[in-house]
Amino acid sequence: DQQVKQNSPSLSVQEGRISILNCDYTNSMFDYFLWYKKYPAEGPTFLISISSIKDKNEDGRFTVFLNKSAKHLSLHIVPSQPGDSAVYFCAATSSGYSTLTFGKGTMLLVSP
Amino acid sequence: EAQVTQNPRYLITVTGKKLTVTCSQNMNHEYMSWYRQDPGLGLRQIYYSMNVEVTDKGDVPEGYKVSRKEKRNFPLILESPSPNQTSLYFCASSLSGHQRGYTFGSGTRLTVV
Repeated sequence: DQQVKQNSPSLSVQEGRISILNCDYTNSMFDYFLWYKKYPAEGPTFLISISSIKDKNEDGRFTVFLNKSAKHLSLHIVPSQPGDSAVYFCAATSSGYSTLTFGKGTMLLVSP
Repeated sequence: EAQVTQNPRYLITVTGKKLTVTCSQNMNHEYMSWYRQDPGLGLRQIYYSMNVEVTDKGDVPEGYKVSRKEKRNFPLILESPSPNQTSLYFCASSLSGHQRGYTFGSGTRLTVV
């Protein structure tokens, strides 16, 4: 049973517009969520995270929103740039644990 | 430069021939972890370690072994590789577990024939 779901395998956006990547989770014990970005032939790089005590966290062009009641989080990228084209992984974990549960990823393509 | 270094980057081997993928980090991180990435399955954790001599199973530990004799090194051992272990492997480390995010290595693409 997949505990972290990214239902959109891919997303195409024009440069300058907003990119919205979605993630759903089923495990109520998850209380910390992270987004990673991955370019081909490289390892994932940490992008932004959010604790369950917050509903929003912002870092420059990247904002993560958390809706605990819906068990849903989203990553907003504004404005999108061609360099943002990558695979984005949503991940979740529980306090006191060191395991990260990842979604399958969403490939974002930002066209000029 | 702060980094996680995996070796080799690419490896083709035959079924049953023992192999080790090395992982080293220079950031004095306590937490280290191994993941495998497969098409349609995302990243799945194999093993993790919270400190020297402390290791625990992740979601898919079958067929793998790890050791953590020194803080900086966390090798992944396949005693008898099988074709279903053909995958892209990532080592990662973190200062304090998940909360500050993991730093990942560049990956090892393993093919078992």
